[in-house]
Amino acid sequence: DGGITQSPKYLFRKEGQNVTLSCEQNLNHDAMYWYRQDPGQGLRLIYYSQIVNDFQKGDIAEGYSVSREKKESFPLTVTSAQKNPTAFYLCASSIRRTSYNTDTQYFGPGTRLTVL
Amino acid sequence: AQSVTQLGSHVSVSEGALVLLRCNYSSSVPPYLFWYVQYPNQGLQLLLKYTSAATLVKGINGFEAEFKKSETSFHLTKPSAHMSDAAEYFCAVRRSSGNTPLVFGKGTRLSVIA
Repeated sequence: DGGITQSPKYLFRKEGQNVTLSCEQNLNHDAMYWYRQDPGQGLRLIYYSQIVNDFQKGDIAEGYSVSREKKESFPLTVTSAQKNPTAFYLCASSIRRTSYNTDTQYFGPGTRLTVL
Repeated sequence: AQSVTQLGSHVSVSEGALVLLRCNYSSSVPPYLFWYVQYPNQGLQLLLKYTSAATLVKGINGFEAEFKKSETSFHLTKPSAHMSDAAEYFCAVRRSSGNTPLVFGKGTRLSVIA
């Protein structure tokens, strides 16, 4: 089955710890994205990548880091610098890098992070 | 900058009634608009998207949306609500030309009353 997998589904972290959220896709998509979802705030863009070894900051990148060493993988690290990390994190991907305005973003099932 | 506004954070309808979820956009370029649905603790699923080929767009699960440039709107409708339609709905617009990320509205939670 083709799709996007995120793991773990639930993650608990103590204050001061870094954690890494996994996102893997087997759709052969070029672009990948990380969004954060908080109740009543919609989805906000953290980072995105349109090609391997390249990524751009989104609207709320502070306290987060990413890497894109392989086309199919785009892990997100939530660092201790992120002051309010408790949220639902969604990874997405889309098929082409440029000039395709109507390409759909497909979403993974999400990871719920709770800081204890 | 492109943005979308969803009017009403919560909409409640009776089963069998018309569903109308409102979305207005702000865009300096021709907008590329999307509607997604999210069930509790799940990812988002595409309902439909506006590609400029037609102003009335039909999507999955009986939903459709009409692009109205004069009103800068892309409202989502369904003639008859089912209990299974209860979910959160997000309107989104592409940030700029090309395969750029989306900007999402804050969402509208739809409740369906039996």
